[in-house]
Amino acid sequence: DTGVSQDPRHKITKRGQNVTFRCDPISEHNRLYWYRQTLGQGPEFLTYFQNEAQLEKSRLLSDRFSAERPKGSFSTLEIQRTEQGDSAMYLCASSSESLTDTQYFGPGTRLTVL
Amino acid sequence: AQRVTQPEKLLSVFKGAPVELKCNYSYSGSPELFWYVQYSRQRLQLLLRHISRESIKGFTADLNKGETSFHLKKPFAQEEDSAMYYCALRYSSASKIIFGSGTRLSIRP
Repeated sequence: DTGVSQDPRHKITKRGQNVTFRCDPISEHNRLYWYRQTLGQGPEFLTYFQNEAQLEKSRLLSDRFSAERPKGSFSTLEIQRTEQGDSAMYLCASSSESLTDTQYFGPGTRLTVL
Repeated sequence: AQRVTQPEKLLSVFKGAPVELKCNYSYSGSPELFWYVQYSRQRLQLLLRHISRESIKGFTADLNKGETSFHLKKPFAQEEDSAMYYCALRYSSASKIIFGSGTRLSIRP
């Protein structure tokens, strides 16, 4: 286990299609975060899980977005009826319940909506 | 609302020159401040955090609560410091991180 992994690394889709991304956190990390990063901006928080419970969702997460972490391990982020404005880098991070609680980031999934 | 401001999109300095990347934040409580770095073709990684009060790769950052600033400094820049730097805050552990828009640091030989 060398770190947080994300799949796919790149996704090109047509407007209106559904897409799903996967994040595998560092093993034994019980906290998992999703962020979105658009060109020229820093990452923006989308949602947070502690184990399988989704504890916080950003207002950026419209009804077309849904995230799950069914067994408290990997997580999926689905975007339904994609729009061109959804084009971005989607980042996943994980951390463990500790004094420092450092978030470790994955390489990201770059989504392009045509 | 919580906000992190990095006024410089790009900072270009010569090798061996001092570096200062500016960061200001707005938050009414006592947040935890970070600097994250992203080298070319690598993932985002933590560089340092204010509570550690340590120097990493020659970089230091001091939290100034009066000026709500957390500037990143290095006395002598090296070419390998070229990267994207993000200042960030969070208000407690197990909470989201709020990032600035980033500063691209370019070190000229």
